Amino acid sequence: GENVEQHPSTLSVQEGDSAVIKCTYSDSASNYFPWYKQELGKRPQLIIDIRSNVGEKKDQRIAVTLNKTAKHFSLHITETQPEDSAVYFCAASTNTGNQFYFGTGTSLTVIP
Amino acid sequence: NAGVMQNPRHLVRRRGQEARLRCSPMKGHSHVYWYRQLPEEGLKFMVYLQKENIIDESGMPKERFSAEFPKEGPSILRIQQVVRGDSAAYFCASSPTGQASSPLHFGNGTRLTVT
Repeated sequence: GENVEQHPSTLSVQEGDSAVIKCTYSDSASNYFPWYKQELGKRPQLIIDIRSNVGEKKDQRIAVTLNKTAKHFSLHITETQPEDSAVYFCAASTNTGNQFYFGTGTSLTVIP
Repeated sequence: NAGVMQNPRHLVRRRGQEARLRCSPMKGHSHVYWYRQLPEEGLKFMVYLQKENIIDESGMPKERFSAEFPKEGPSILRIQQVVRGDSAAYFCASSPTGQASSPLHFGNGTRLTVT
């Protein structure tokens, strides 16, 4: 089955700096890669996703890049703000699979 | 659209009791996933159901755990004879199509504490 690895597990940045979270996957059939943000005690919420026919996608301060050859994808947050502090999860799935395989999460702290 | 509704939000059970967790998917969604999250850990897949069918239960322990999604009513995750190791947050998510290219919409979770 698919194996998704996520790094780093914790990340601290100064407010205004950029944050990058990286994930790798093992199944070359994976073709959909969502990112979820989970604030303390709350539900995971989709913040951005990318499909395998696209190399990069941007939504305001958030961007995701995908390298299919290397089987890795990354989340980029620019001009970080304290409210960006949360745990971020990457995931991978295939059209034929039943599961979303999640990474182990990155706890991001933005220091004011 | 009320979103994915889970209840109860918090559930306390003594060892040996049964825990019953409920999930109503978003309107129009007929595919439900259950995930377990231990403190400071990721989301572990448990089971995927469609109406009246279990599609994939490969992540669910064979003993004490069961899930259903009846034609009418919410999906139920049942844990019999709970043990302290069952203490976790249990999240339900729904999808309109079940295709893995459709994003999951999560509920607020049920936090189970076994004393």
